[in-house]
Amino acid sequence: GAVVSQHPSRVICKSGTSVKIECRSLDFQATTMFWYRQFPKQSLMLMATSNEGSKATYEQGVEKDKFLINHASLTLSTLTVTSAHPEDSSFYICSATKPGLASEQYFGPGTRLTVT
Amino acid sequence: DQQVKQNSPSLSVQEGRISILNCDYTNSMFDYFLWYKKYPAEGPTFLISISSIKDKNEDGRFTVFLNKSAKHLSLHIVPSQPGDSAVYFCAASVNSGNTPLVFGKGTRLSVIA
Repeated sequence: GAVVSQHPSRVICKSGTSVKIECRSLDFQATTMFWYRQFPKQSLMLMATSNEGSKATYEQGVEKDKFLINHASLTLSTLTVTSAHPEDSSFYICSATKPGLASEQYFGPGTRLTVT
Repeated sequence: DQQVKQNSPSLSVQEGRISILNCDYTNSMFDYFLWYKKYPAEGPTFLISISSIKDKNEDGRFTVFLNKSAKHLSLHIVPSQPGDSAVYFCAASVNSGNTPLVFGKGTRLSVIA
């Protein structure tokens, strides 16, 4: 199997605070993890690509100082939304790939972030 | 500029009939295509894929057709079941390494009993 978990599944925070979302590959080592964001009625928008032990590659328009990504091990990547604002409220989804099977992405269940 | 387009935001089909979901792409470098199914508040789950060296791939009730010259692919579900009701995303990638998927906006399929 290829199971990816995310924690928390749902979080509500106040404007100005920071929130950390964890993405774990439970039964395989993920060479690469991706972070996506989904707005209502829109596609999954890639935010950044994260490789273990190196800096994340951010997509154009994504603020790297606001969305901090740390891929500390082959099974864990974290996304920290710093100084969150209501417009950051969204559904954040991570995915992970197995070595050599780049197109086989396994998705986490997502995290619903609400900033009040 | 959207590289992967799903022009129908929604589709309703009677139970037992065929559902056809369409997807167009513009990047000729794409050589691997996937369909994902997504329920509300859940991550996408992989459904079926096709490499550009093929024009058809079948898995049970699901068949994906690829027309490279038209840069078009479609997902056929037959027979459609109420449990198929979900949002379906078409995705494409260049299978040359750890390249991220490019997703379409999705099509919401409603299968009516």
